[in-house]
Amino acid sequence: QLHLQESGPGLVKPSETLSLTCTVSGGSISDSNHYWGWIRQPQTPGRGLEWIGSIYYSGSTNYSPSLKSRVTISVDTSKNQFSLKLRSVTAADTAVYYCARRQFWYDMSGHYSTWFDPWGQGTLITVSA
Amino acid sequence: DIVMTQSPDSLAVSLGERATFNCKSSQSILNSSNNKNYVGWYQQKPGQPPKLLIFWASTRESGVPDRFSGSGSGTDFTLTISSLQAEDVAVYYCHQYYSSPPTFGQGTKVEIK
Repeated sequence: QLHLQESGPGLVKPSETLSLTCTVSGGSISDSNHYWGWIRQPQTPGRGLEWIGSIYYSGSTNYSPSLKSRVTISVDTSKNQFSLKLRSVTAADTAVYYCARRQFWYDMSGHYSTWFDPWGQGTLITVSA
Repeated sequence: DIVMTQSPDSLAVSLGERATFNCKSSQSILNSSNNKNYVGWYQQKPGQPPKLLIFWASTRESGVPDRFSGSGSGTDFTLTISSLQAEDVAVYYCHQYYSSPPTFGQGTKVEIK
C-alpha cells in the first residue's frame, strides 16, 4: 500500500525558506501514471485547501500562479522522494503542508492531472520569529 | 481560477438519516469530449488528511461505503450520505481538476444532531 510521509522543520523564521521532503514508500515515484503534489491547509477556521504545485518523475513541474514566484518542487527518483522549497515566507504561509499522489488520466480526449490520492499525514509549519 | 462554492457551511443530521450537501463551480467543469465532470469529493476527519471518496463526480473510490454517492453535472454537484453513521462526522470538500490551478471548496462540516 502506498504511503507518503512529509518531513521538515516545524518552525521557520519570516523571510527564510521553508523546505519539506515527501518520502514515498510502497510504490515507485517513477510510476508514469502519477504526478506528485503539495497542498497546504491554513489552520484558520474557514480556510480550505490550497494547491501549491505538482511534479512528474521526469522533473516536469507546474505551480500555483499565486505562489509560482516563490516555489520550487524537485524530485529525487533514486531516493523515491520529492521536495518543496518556499522562499521568503511570512506568517501567511503558516499551515499544515501535505504531499499527495495525483492521478494522471489518459483517454481519447487527451491527458489530464486529476484527483489526489493518497495523502501524507501532513506536517504543521509555523512561520514565526 | 475556478471557484468552488459549497453549501451549507455546516449540517447537523440525525444518525441513520440522509445528509446532502452541494458544490457549485464558477464555470462548467464538464468535458464534452469525454462526457466527464472533473470533480472529486474528499472526507477529512479531525487530525487526519483528506481522503478521496468520489472522482469523476459520481465514481466511488475503492473501499468507500456505498452509502456515499455523488451526482451532478456542469456546474452543480451533490454528495449524499444515505444513512449517516457516527464515523461520518467530518468536513467534506469538493475539488475541481478541470483546469489549473486545481481548486477546492471551503468545506461542509457534518455533525450529528
